[in-house]
Amino acid sequence: GENVEQHPSTLSVQEGDSAVIKCTYSDSASNYFPWYKQELGKRPQLIIDIRSNVGEKKDQRIAVTLNKTAKHFSLHITETQPEDSAVYFCAATRGSQGNLIFGKGTKLSVKP
Amino acid sequence: GAGVSQSPSNKVTEKGKDVELRCDPISGHTALYWYRQSLGQGLEFLIYFQGNSAPDKSGLPSDRFSAERTGGSVSTLTIQRTQQEDSAVYLCASSLGPAGTYEQYFGPGTRLTVT
Repeated sequence: GENVEQHPSTLSVQEGDSAVIKCTYSDSASNYFPWYKQELGKRPQLIIDIRSNVGEKKDQRIAVTLNKTAKHFSLHITETQPEDSAVYFCAATRGSQGNLIFGKGTKLSVKP
Repeated sequence: GAGVSQSPSNKVTEKGKDVELRCDPISGHTALYWYRQSLGQGLEFLIYFQGNSAPDKSGLPSDRFSAERTGGSVSTLTIQRTQQEDSAVYLCASSLGPAGTYEQYFGPGTRLTVT
């Protein structure tokens, strides 16, 4: 069935460094790729998303890139801050309108 | 405005008992989703309601799990004859329209513990 793989499962960086999280998906019909941030004990919240007709999208310190041919997409966080510490989930739609399939998450720790 | 709400926030039940978890989506949102999150794990899709269409139940792990959405609004997830492996946080989300087009907003979750 459809699958989303996410790497790494844990990531530790120094404050100010960049962090990159990568995901691959299997359903070639997927057309929407959101990223969610979940702080400890809180609900997941959307931080950025990208659609299949776009290769890159930026929002201040975060950016997402999409390679549809290779079926992978990545989250880039620059100038990391301690408040970026959280679990990040990537997701892809099942088909073009189906439910989201989530990756297993990346626990990001930013050390001051 | 009000976000997605879920009740109860915590539920402890004995193995073999039935439980009902409730989700109140954002008003006007036609799509509603249930997910399960086990400790340290990702978000496991359970079921998806979109408008008046038949729900996508493909993620339900067994026939002990069922869900209803009444009047296109409130949803209830029912787990019958609970097992210890059902212990998890159950998250509900809603969106303005279909999953591939609109952002999903999550509720705070219900933490279910089966003893």
